[in-house]
Amino acid sequence: SQTIHQWPATLVQPVGSPLSLECTVEGTSNPNLYWYRQAAGRGLQLLFYSVGIGQISSEVPQNLSASRPQDRQFILSSKKLLLSDSGFYLCAWSTGTYEQYFGPGTRLTVT
Amino acid sequence: AQSVTQLDSHVSVSEGTPVLLRCNYSSSYSPSLFWYVQHPNKGLQLLLKYTSAATLVKGINGFEAEFKKSETSFHLTKPSAHMSDAAEYFCVVSEWNDKIIFGKGTRLHILP
Repeated sequence: SQTIHQWPATLVQPVGSPLSLECTVEGTSNPNLYWYRQAAGRGLQLLFYSVGIGQISSEVPQNLSASRPQDRQFILSSKKLLLSDSGFYLCAWSTGTYEQYFGPGTRLTVT
Repeated sequence: AQSVTQLDSHVSVSEGTPVLLRCNYSSSYSPSLFWYVQHPNKGLQLLLKYTSAATLVKGINGFEAEFKKSETSFHLTKPSAHMSDAAEYFCVVSEWNDKIIFGKGTRLHILP
């Protein structure tokens, strides 16, 4: 069966520090991968999606970036965090049947 | 263009009474529709999905939803609420181009 992992589960970082969140999927090949952010009271915002290694599409311009170095690995990064980057970050995968499967999420607090 | 509207941001029901969470969609094509549930500080879990088969879809934990094309609705129901159903629920629409649109969510409160 397929599983999706995210780490860390929680993170507290000062403004201006770098960020790296990791997502890995097991039990499937060539999945579509997604990063979402969920800020308080603002629903889910799609940040990036990837249909293959090295292929990244950005939905919202911001100081975040994403990379897919391996088929089942998706990384969200920032060189300098802003206060507005605080939120709950969710990784998801899908395989062309439309429904997405979500990881447990990372709670990021920027102080 | 596709869109989805969850008509209530908060719904409160007493334990043991029926649950109704409303969702309307707009789609140019035959959409796929989903309901997800999110408990606090957890990821989203797929409750059920409609993909042009039976219009009444049964999901996990006793939930079901009915696709009504004439009303462009996909409301989520459960006959008897349980305390563990307290969570946020998202209605989602997806079309052939794989774009997926989330509703803003409905927070379900269960009163003892």
